[in-house]
Amino acid sequence: DQQVKQNSPSLSVQEGRISILNCDYTNSMFDYFLWYKKYPAEGPTFLISISSIKDKNEDGRFTVFLNKSAKHLSLHIVPSQPGDSAVYFCAASALGYGKLTFGQGTILTVHP
Amino acid sequence: EAGVTQFPSHSVIEKGQTVTLRCDPISGHDNLYWYRRVMGKEIKFLLHFVKESKQDESGMPNNRFLAERTGGTYSTLKVQPAELEDSGVYFCASSQDRGNFFEKLFFGSGTQLSVL
Repeated sequence: DQQVKQNSPSLSVQEGRISILNCDYTNSMFDYFLWYKKYPAEGPTFLISISSIKDKNEDGRFTVFLNKSAKHLSLHIVPSQPGDSAVYFCAASALGYGKLTFGQGTILTVHP
Repeated sequence: EAGVTQFPSHSVIEKGQTVTLRCDPISGHDNLYWYRRVMGKEIKFLLHFVKESKQDESGMPNNRFLAERTGGTYSTLKVQPAELEDSGVYFCASSQDRGNFFEKLFFGSGTQLSVL
């Protein structure tokens, strides 16, 4: 029973364009959502988060949108850069604690 | 400041053998987590320590896995005896406290375990 799903295993975009990564969840107890970025041979690093009381959070080129009624969140990267090429994991938490439920990850490739 | 350190980075063992993974969290971080990613799938929670106490071990697959955190500093995860399905990347993460809104985890680079 996978509670957090990233249905796109990979995404390829051109440098300068927008990258949109999607994530769906099923557990209504989740109230904090995070995106982690992972380069090969490294551990995941925190990118951006959003609380369930908000529907949008921005940090520079990165924006996360949350649609609670649809149990859907997305990460927008604008403009995309080749250095953004990595695996992006969506994760969810109950009460903001560190026990995270991750999605399978989406491999983002940004072409120069 | 040193990050979360994991040893070894790679381990190749035969089925039935024992392997011990080690994690050194960021100094001062009371919370320590073990996660595992199998076959390119999602990263799954294994267990959570607060200092030396196991807070939540609901993700441990079975009793072949034993985690310890003596003295509340580094942690070890022992797999005995190892089975083929234990292959994967084992990540350790640590955090200082809850923070204002959420608990921000810092991950190590992981240990790639291959059981042949």
